[in-house]
Amino acid sequence: DAGITQSPRHKVTETGTPVTLRCHQTENHRYMYWYRQDPGHGLRLIHYSYGVKDTDKGEVSDGYSVSRSKTEDFLLTLESATSSQTSVYFCAIGLGTGNQPQHFGDGTRLSIL
Amino acid sequence: GIQVEQSPPDLILQEGANSTLRCNFSDSVNNLQWFHQNPWGQLINLFYIPSGTKQNGRLSATTVATERYSLLYISSSQTTDSGVYFCAVADRGSTLGRLYFGRGTQLTVWP
Repeated sequence: DAGITQSPRHKVTETGTPVTLRCHQTENHRYMYWYRQDPGHGLRLIHYSYGVKDTDKGEVSDGYSVSRSKTEDFLLTLESATSSQTSVYFCAIGLGTGNQPQHFGDGTRLSIL
Repeated sequence: GIQVEQSPPDLILQEGANSTLRCNFSDSVNNLQWFHQNPWGQLINLFYIPSGTKQNGRLSATTVATERYSLLYISSSQTTDSGVYFCAVADRGSTLGRLYFGRGTQLTVWP
């Protein structure tokens, strides 16, 4: 168990509302990642972090922002949700340095109506 | 970004059969991982294998980095092996773990 908790696990909201997803880890890992999973696309990287206040964009970052003010929490924010952001969102941690195994949380299913 | 192709897209087996899943990638990599997504949606890391061969019980994996492919072998399949298997890679110049995923192989094992 890599000690990753995602919250909420499910959320339904309306277009135009802000949404924040939280990823919490208990083991002080430096690297954290947000992915989205959509049918036909596999998983795609949204944003990642390599330390407190150190973040960068991934493949599909438009419409998303992130923050990491402490090691254990990595937040993903949709400032104004759109229906195209309906997806399953996964948080992952990287064990050790960047190129090491990644372990995933259980996901957040987000529906935007 | 780097392209990752997995084959076959779907595989249906009877319990006890063996199978081989393939992952081809378009550029040199220094990070290759195999994941299993179970029917409940959980993603489990099976192997971190940028090169060479590893075994874990009935599962083994081989990566031939110079030829840009990796293989996942499942022997004596069980119904609990059902789910989607993903290959993910990071390009050789990356040190931050930016993974690119394939679209997966959907495996169904019948009793």
